[in-house]
Amino acid sequence: DGGITQSPKYLFRKEGQNVTLSCEQNLNHDAMYWYRQDPGQGLRLIYYSQIVNDFQKGDIAEGYSVSREKKESFPLTVTSAQKNPTAFYLCASSTQLFGSGYTIYFGEGSWLTVV
Amino acid sequence: AQSVAQPEDQVNVAEGNPLTVKCTYSVSGNPYLFWYVQYPNRGLQFLLKYITGDNLVKGSYGFEAEFNKSQTSFHLKKPSALVSDSALYFCAVRDAGAGSYQLTFGKGTKLSVIP
Repeated sequence: DGGITQSPKYLFRKEGQNVTLSCEQNLNHDAMYWYRQDPGQGLRLIYYSQIVNDFQKGDIAEGYSVSREKKESFPLTVTSAQKNPTAFYLCASSTQLFGSGYTIYFGEGSWLTVV
Repeated sequence: AQSVAQPEDQVNVAEGNPLTVKCTYSVSGNPYLFWYVQYPNRGLQFLLKYITGDNLVKGSYGFEAEFNKSQTSFHLKKPSALVSDSALYFCAVRDAGAGSYQLTFGKGTKLSVIP
C-alpha cells in the first residue's frame, strides 16, 4: 500500500542525547515536511523539503536538523539543543510544494518523551 | 498573513443528530481550505478541500463543508453523526495568491458524539 511510514512510534530520550525519527514515503511525492504537535497548539512546521538535497527551516527549526538524501526519505534529528522536545511529531508529504491546491498527507506520527 | 480560527475547542452532539464544526479564515488572496481528522495517537487524515468552484464540497465518510466567502468561513458538516466520528478535527488554509507554501492549521476542535 502507498503511504508514509514513521518509526519508531514511541521514543524516549535522555537529557543531552540526540535522537532521529525516521520518515519514508512511497507515494513518489517531491515535497516532504515535519510538523510538531503539542496539545491545544495545533501543528507547527519544523522543516520542509521541496526536492532531494534541499530543505528549508519552518517556524520552529531551532534544535532540529534534517537531511534529504533520497526522494523517499526525510529523517528528523532532535538535538540536545531542543530544550522542550517532548511532543508528537508528524511527517507529511505532497506532490509538490508550490502549485494549486496540493493536499498534504500525513504519517501516523511518533511520540518523543524526554526522561 | 494567513490565519485560521476554530472557535470551539469542543463540540458535543448526540448520535444521529447533524453536526457542525466551525472554521473561519483570513487570507489576502483566495483561499485553499482543508479539513483533516485525527484519531487518538494517530496521524491526520485528509477529509476534503476547497480549491475553486462549487461552494459545497463533499468528502470522505459522509462529511461535507460549505465555503462562504462573504463570511470567510468553511464549516464542516455531517447530516447524521456516528459515535465513530468522535475525534479531533483540524481546519487549514493556504493563501492561493501570496505564493505561500505553508498550510496554516487551526488549533483543532474535539468532537464527541454521544450514544
